[in-house]
Amino acid sequence: DVKVTQSSRYLVKRTGEKVFLECVQDMDHENMFWYRQDPGLGLRLIYFSYDVKMKEKGDIPEGYSVSREKKERFSLILESASTNQTSMYLCASSPAGHPNYGYTFGSGTRLTVV
Amino acid sequence: QKEVEQDPGPLSVPEGAIVSLNCTYSNSAFQYFMWYRQYSRKGPELLMYTYSSGNKEDGRFTAQVDKSSKYISLFIRDSQPSDSATYLCAMSSEVREKLTFGTGTRLTIIP
Repeated sequence: DVKVTQSSRYLVKRTGEKVFLECVQDMDHENMFWYRQDPGLGLRLIYFSYDVKMKEKGDIPEGYSVSREKKERFSLILESASTNQTSMYLCASSPAGHPNYGYTFGSGTRLTVV
Repeated sequence: QKEVEQDPGPLSVPEGAIVSLNCTYSNSAFQYFMWYRQYSRKGPELLMYTYSSGNKEDGRFTAQVDKSSKYISLFIRDSQPSDSATYLCAMSSEVREKLTFGTGTRLTIIP
């Protein structure tokens, strides 16, 4: 069964901390994405990557960075966590050139910044 | 104005009813359309995919795309309590392009 695995289901961090959210996929997908999901706002794209060591800004990149050193791993970094970054974070992957497969999502990490 | 608009609901219907979920969009370049289902405390999962206009059926689910009206729909026949979830529409203009999601409609099927 294909999988996108996010390292933590729940995280509580303090304001100002540097936070790492890890995502690993086992499907050899080229594309990987980080979204945050908030009530009433839906899914908003933070960063995405179409290949190793490549990254592109999504709609709300401020306060975040990413790293993709290996094809299967895409990390989201909150440089200095703030309370407005409390959210559900979803990682997804997809194969290049096959939109019919859609995105495969992880189960999400619910991050609370206090 | 958002590129993709979706009624957030919540929507409650009795078991066995036909459910209609809808999205409108403003970008005429969109040509890849999807519906995702998201259960509580889970990530979204792909339910239906449609390219360009037309209908697609898969079991109790039918996806419709009307590009002239910039309107897509998902119909669920003989709805079941297990269909209770949030349904998100998503679309893109190019194969390589990132998806734009609707905000999701929360659906509850009442036994």
